[in-house]
Amino acid sequence: AQSVAQPEDQVNVAEGNPLTVKCTYSVSGNPYLFWYVQYPNRGLQFLLKYITGDNLVKGSYGFEAEFNKSQTSFHLKKPSALVSDSALYFCAVRDGTGGGNKLTFGTGTQLKVEL
Amino acid sequence: DTGVSQNPRHKITKRGQNVTFRCDPISEHNRLYWYRQTLGQGPEFLTYFQNEAQLEKSRLLSDRFSAERPKGSFSTLEIQRTEQGDSAMYLCASRSPGQGWSPLHFGNGTRLTVT
Repeated sequence: AQSVAQPEDQVNVAEGNPLTVKCTYSVSGNPYLFWYVQYPNRGLQFLLKYITGDNLVKGSYGFEAEFNKSQTSFHLKKPSALVSDSALYFCAVRDGTGGGNKLTFGTGTQLKVEL
Repeated sequence: DTGVSQNPRHKITKRGQNVTFRCDPISEHNRLYWYRQTLGQGPEFLTYFQNEAQLEKSRLLSDRFSAERPKGSFSTLEIQRTEQGDSAMYLCASRSPGQGWSPLHFGNGTRLTVT
């Protein structure tokens, strides 16, 4: 079965510094990978996806993610963090079982950006 | 694009009562999902509709849970004989048809508290 792991429950970074939120995946077949962000008491917002093509994917709000097949990773990055980036971030993989119609989410990483 | 709408935002109910939630997807989206999210966890898949057909149900969805999508537009999720373990955020998401794997668009969820 497909799965994603987010090894860090929380990441702290100073505003203006680069940030990385880690994600590793396990899939059979080609991975479809996604990042979502969740603000308190809100639903999830789509940031970016990788299906095929360039390993570096650019998304919303200046975020990007690097797909690394050999390391089975899909880390989320941003060159310069903002306080407003503080939120809960979820990595997700398309689940190929049962028709491949759903996403399986990781447990989330809380990002805290401090002044 | 008015987004995915979920009602109510909050629901408090006593154990043993029945509750029903509604989701209005983005109008041109024919695919609709229900997920459940508990504190500190990522969203867990419950069920998936393509148009009016319920094509996939999670094993998490006990017999007390039922979902419908009459006419392929809005959807309802009903929980019968609620239990305290049903307390969670219930998220609805929709996505558009077509080539590639379009991202899920989430509503802001319905938070259920069972007392």
